[in-house]
Amino acid sequence: KAGVTQTPRYLIKTRGQQVTLSCSPISGHRSVSWYQQTPGQGLQFLFEYFSETQRNKGNFPGRFSGRQFSNSRSEMNVSTLELGDSALYLCASSPDRIYAREQYFGPGTRLTVT
Amino acid sequence: GENVEQHPSTLSVQEGDSAVIKCTYSDSASNYFPWYKQELGKGPQLIIDIRSNVGEKKDQRIAVTLNKTAKHFSLHITETQPEDSAVYFCAASLHSGGYQKVTFGTGTKLQVIP
Repeated sequence: KAGVTQTPRYLIKTRGQQVTLSCSPISGHRSVSWYQQTPGQGLQFLFEYFSETQRNKGNFPGRFSGRQFSNSRSEMNVSTLELGDSALYLCASSPDRIYAREQYFGPGTRLTVT
Repeated sequence: GENVEQHPSTLSVQEGDSAVIKCTYSDSASNYFPWYKQELGKGPQLIIDIRSNVGEKKDQRIAVTLNKTAKHFSLHITETQPEDSAVYFCAASLHSGGYQKVTFGTGTKLQVIP
């Protein structure tokens, strides 16, 4: 079974621009979560989607948004990029969300904002 | 909210020795505790997990122990090998209010010296 895939793997943007990242979960997984990873803050939860609905959200500004499609693929969008948004953005999928379940991470998208 | 502390932040061991990483959590409602290994340039990989109704779980050279009363859990790697070198993250997870909340530790960089 194929793992979680994320595209693109690397991205360079300038301040003020917006960016869209994509995530395809493991086949059959319906829950997709997004995380931001930085050396200073570690792994921070952004949001979780299940059945095309955002079910949970972390403490990030409204510039960070996402969506999930009927095939469970998810996109994350960051508008008006800031230097501090430079990070590794990770997507994780889970079989379901009824119970606390294992998450499987993708390789991440390395975003650099200049 | 949940707070997860992880120690040590760095750990160097000789090949063949054992490595132990410890985590504490604050929310007694947490009931699922996964451990992840992250190699350079890759996303975190789930290596072992334990649920709150179990005290210990082992998978070949890796074991995890959980003390619910003290609210701490540990990762034990025996007979370490150079390929065990990576950053290891613990996490505490609970299902609350219809969604899953996952809090990660700050990571331990393990170096296995040949």
